[in-house]
Amino acid sequence: QSVLTQPPSVSGAPGQRVTISCTGSSSNIGAGYDVHWYQQLPGTAPKLLIYGNSNRPSGVPDRFSGSKSGTSASLAITGLQAEDEADYYCQSYDSSLSGREVFGTGTKVTVL
Amino acid sequence: QVQLQESGPGLVKPSETLSLTCAVSGYSISSGYYWGWIRQPPGKGLEWIGSIYHSGSTYYNPSLKSRVTISVDTSKNQFSLKLSSVTAADTAVYYCARTESYFDYWGQGTLVTVSS
Repeated sequence: QSVLTQPPSVSGAPGQRVTISCTGSSSNIGAGYDVHWYQQLPGTAPKLLIYGNSNRPSGVPDRFSGSKSGTSASLAITGLQAEDEADYYCQSYDSSLSGREVFGTGTKVTVL
Repeated sequence: QVQLQESGPGLVKPSETLSLTCAVSGYSISSGYYWGWIRQPPGKGLEWIGSIYHSGSTYYNPSLKSRVTISVDTSKNQFSLKLSSVTAADTAVYYCARTESYFDYWGQGTLVTVSS
């Protein structure tokens, strides 16, 4: 099972702000490793949304923002739009068990 | 534009070896970066399988390490995954991706079903 825990689902009305948490431990996020976020639309491959905790790749709207503190990280979506309905995953590195890349459990965002 | 494309059998029998290849275009593997494999069982989350550097250096998910081999062929600009002794639990969409801690370019994914 994943060592990064996310809420299974979050929802919001169009225009609202939603946040997704990603809770880790002292061997991953708390150890200083960067957190990255991905958006996965139904039936498609994941797309990089945020890298290095808070950086947006070219083309990603500034409605998406990321932050990190202690052993957790968060993804915020402001001005929620219907097209934001998707699954979101956090990802980091975990230094236990000889080191490995780890993904969060995933969060389904529903636009009401 | 970097593009990745997975290929391989969509059906593998239990106890056999799953083999997939990822062809890369728009970027030379020899130029750098790690190249990884990630899988997603139907209706479930993402699981990192392992990654390889252009030099051939690898690191694997400890939970799969005993069954996984990832190799690179720089002459063909592609890298490959072999997963041995598969069971139904290995049924998943398998993705290849470019990575330098984060995965920035992904293939479209290929569904591999393990069934007799």
